[in-house]
Amino acid sequence: GAVVSQHPSRVICKSGTSVKIECRSLDFQATTMFWYRQFPKQSLMLMATSNEGSKATYEQGVEKDKFLINHASLTLSTLTVTSAHPEDSSFYICSVRDSQETQYFGPGTRLLVL
Amino acid sequence: TQLLEQSPQFLSIQEGENLTVYCNSSSVFSSLQWYRQEPGEGPVLLVTVVTGGEVKKLKRLTFQFGDARKDSSLHITAAQPGDTGLYLCAGAQSGGSNYKLTFGKGTLLTVNP
Repeated sequence: GAVVSQHPSRVICKSGTSVKIECRSLDFQATTMFWYRQFPKQSLMLMATSNEGSKATYEQGVEKDKFLINHASLTLSTLTVTSAHPEDSSFYICSVRDSQETQYFGPGTRLLVL
Repeated sequence: TQLLEQSPQFLSIQEGENLTVYCNSSSVFSSLQWYRQEPGEGPVLLVTVVTGGEVKKLKRLTFQFGDARKDSSLHITAAQPGDTGLYLCAGAQSGGSNYKLTFGKGTLLTVNP
């Protein structure tokens, strides 16, 4: 399966600042990547689909101006949480999809906004 | 409305016991994946089932895809503390460029020594 990395694994920031999270597909060229958010002991919630070379597709209720997604290459997608607030604290996970519909996930990024 | 119902949501058992986790839907999936996730980590793929009626085994784990491809189960035999984690089922639907992966709510399994 595909190998996916995320950076950073953990980040603490002050309220009002912006945080960028990187998602890299290490061995697979991904035209599509996915960004999820997960609260403790809950399932994954899809935030947006990142499309290489074009705009991301956001799920209903996700603010595209707050969660900026850039997918500039086949191996890198970034999620920027702009003007972060404590309620944005969460576990953010990205994934890639192979040709057979299986998704492979990164290790996640724990964001804590103070 | 939850498209993929996963049960039970929480399960605490003793080492050596058997257990089954279920995922049910009224929708047909082209494939279904099972993941296991540990705290602070991303979900790790356990198996993908594609064919209706398919059964796959992974050591003490047995996965089954329903004949109509609307439901799936995960059975663990002789559970061990190392099996503790969050188990997620996810059903894939695709039609042309429309691809969607729907997750169940997860089953938090605790195996006590």
